[in-house]
Amino acid sequence: IVLTQSPGTLSLSPGERITLSCKVSQRISSTYLAWYQQKPGRAPILLIHGASNRATGIPDRFTGSGSGTDFTLTINRLEPEDSAVYLCHQYWTSPWTFGQGTKVEIK
Amino acid sequence: EVRLAQSGAEVKKPGESLTISCAASGYVFDKSWIGWWRQTPGKGLEWMGMTYPDDHDSRYNPSFAGQIVLSADKSIATAHLQIYSLKAADTALYFCSRHRGAGYCSAANCWGFGVSDLWGQGTLVTVSS
Repeated sequence: IVLTQSPGTLSLSPGERITLSCKVSQRISSTYLAWYQQKPGRAPILLIHGASNRATGIPDRFTGSGSGTDFTLTINRLEPEDSAVYLCHQYWTSPWTFGQGTKVEIK
Repeated sequence: EVRLAQSGAEVKKPGESLTISCAASGYVFDKSWIGWWRQTPGKGLEWMGMTYPDDHDSRYNPSFAGQIVLSADKSIATAHLQIYSLKAADTALYFCSRHRGAGYCSAANCWGFGVSDLWGQGTLVTVSS
């Protein structure tokens, strides 16, 4: 299963809102779609699982939605520490796969 | 504290082998699958395989089968990734992760596993002559 993320890079200011897209090459249950945040040289941090469930400790500025083949991650009220690469991930069918990521830069 | 702690960075020559360790703490190690991932700038995050410590069942991504062996030692709550016949293209950051929940596997595939909710800090492997 191939996951295609868009856009590739975003550059925004603190306080703005962004929506990231993840398109899946075949329909999957929303139960098996996750979003991660990753900073350079660091492990991914789970933000959202089951398409819309925030992981423990993740602020409600992060919201996941979608179904079938189209999923989105929305980040409200951007903060400087949100600068990172955001990855979508399917864990429905092996081999489990990740999208190539959207890089978010906070100006 | 619930964590996965990986072994340190490695520098290897082409053709050599290496073992990366992933030590678990703060949860019941035996009952969760441990996944292994490779990350490179060109291919991103790739799933290499996973192992179930309780019964030593291991599943491999066909792209890596034949070059890697996964194992786990319940007595020390540690999983291992062995990589053989290293090439320059194996230069990457390697991660272990815990799958929260298990699904179903046939001989060829698995379905509906739990999300990787806990990750090791990563092990940088450099392969160079």
